[in-house]
Amino acid sequence: SQTIHQWPATLVQPVGSPLSLECTVEGTSNPNLYWYRQAAGRGLQLLFYSVGIGQISSEVPQNLSASRPQDRQFILSSKKLLLSDSGFYLCASTSSYNSPLHFGNGTRLTVT
Amino acid sequence: AQSVTQLGSHVSVSEGALVLLRCNYSSSVPPYLFWYVQYPNQGLQLLLKYTSAATLVKGINGFEAEFKKSETSFHLTKPSAHMSDAAEYFCAVSGRGGRGSTLGRLYFGRGTQLTVWP
Repeated sequence: SQTIHQWPATLVQPVGSPLSLECTVEGTSNPNLYWYRQAAGRGLQLLFYSVGIGQISSEVPQNLSASRPQDRQFILSSKKLLLSDSGFYLCASTSSYNSPLHFGNGTRLTVT
Repeated sequence: AQSVTQLGSHVSVSEGALVLLRCNYSSSVPPYLFWYVQYPNQGLQLLLKYTSAATLVKGINGFEAEFKKSETSFHLTKPSAHMSDAAEYFCAVSGRGGRGSTLGRLYFGRGTQLTVWP
């Protein structure tokens, strides 16, 4: 089965600083990869998804970007963090359209 | 397009009581439906999924859900709540689109926080 590794688990960053969150996947090849953000009481918002190396789709305009340099690596970045970027970031993976998403344990980001 | 509505952002039950978490979906294509559970500061864990086989789906931890097409519902139930069931629960729908941008894309509800009283 798939295992999703995310790090760090928690992160406190000042406004204007850069961000890099990394996600790696084990147990599958050529997965679809996703970055979600979860804010209190607002459910999960899909930020980016990728169907292959170098292929990134953005769901909403924002201060963030994503990259997929390797098949099972997905990176979420920002050049300058905003206060509104605070939240719980989850990486997810799936291997087929009728298979459930597998989630990592998330990164709690606080922008101060 | 697909969407999910979870009725009730908070549900409280006593230990041993019936758990009922409501989910209604909207989908332009036959849906796949999922329930996930999230414990504090953790990722989401799959409870169960509906993929057009039996309409009553059994999941982990004694939970089950029934797909009702006429009501566009996929409510989650458990006959007897346990303290360890306290968590946030998310309903999600996925379209049965082909490969590409819709592959595996889930639309989540806003979640229901379940509290279990002793």
